[in-house]
Amino acid sequence: EADIYQTPRYLVIGTGKKITLECSQTMGHDKMYWYQQDPGMELHLIHYSYGVNSTEKGDLSSESTVSRIRTEHFPLTLESARPSHTSQYLCASSVGQPRDEQFFGPGTRLTVL
Amino acid sequence: AQKVTQAQTEISVVEKEDVTLDCVYETRDTTYYLFWYKQPPSGELVFLIRRNSFDEQNEISGRYSWNFQKSTSSFNFTITASQVVDSAVYFCALKTSYDKVIFGPGTSLSVIP
Repeated sequence: EADIYQTPRYLVIGTGKKITLECSQTMGHDKMYWYQQDPGMELHLIHYSYGVNSTEKGDLSSESTVSRIRTEHFPLTLESARPSHTSQYLCASSVGQPRDEQFFGPGTRLTVL
Repeated sequence: AQKVTQAQTEISVVEKEDVTLDCVYETRDTTYYLFWYKQPPSGELVFLIRRNSFDEQNEISGRYSWNFQKSTSSFNFTITASQVVDSAVYFCALKTSYDKVIFGPGTSLSVIP
């Protein structure tokens, strides 16, 4: 059973606000990921990390930033939210080579007004 | 280039019918992994199966079965005697030596009672 948590589950916020989406996992996985997804649509990788102090941008350009100070924690921050940021954000982690199946959190549905 | 194609955007079946979800992948790597994930309306992606490129043995798990054919670069997923709880978006994914997981666009399955 995967143990990966995201908070908040739902967030409605006004334009220009700074927000941080939290993601934590208790499995000791080195690899963590952030995806952006409109409901039921394609997943877009926006950030990933292969371990502490390692962060990389994904395939989809994003105005968000991430940090990885602890293995279990991978928060995503938007300095100034805009309506175009309205989406679902999914966090995932994986154990690494060679298997690498990802375990996903429940997601955060963000609405920026 | 790495690519995953799920040509069926939406499928509707009546409960108890069998349904097959198609997945075709592209890669030049000889070592790779294929995955299927389920995303129910709640939004969380659930890992279903992983298959590596050296194992073409088909797998059955309850009502689920997977058919992996390297000759046609396909990894199809069949649900036997479908149930309403199977309604979800299903994603096929590919991981190669480039170390990123590439998700297909997803197939939305609706099982009608």
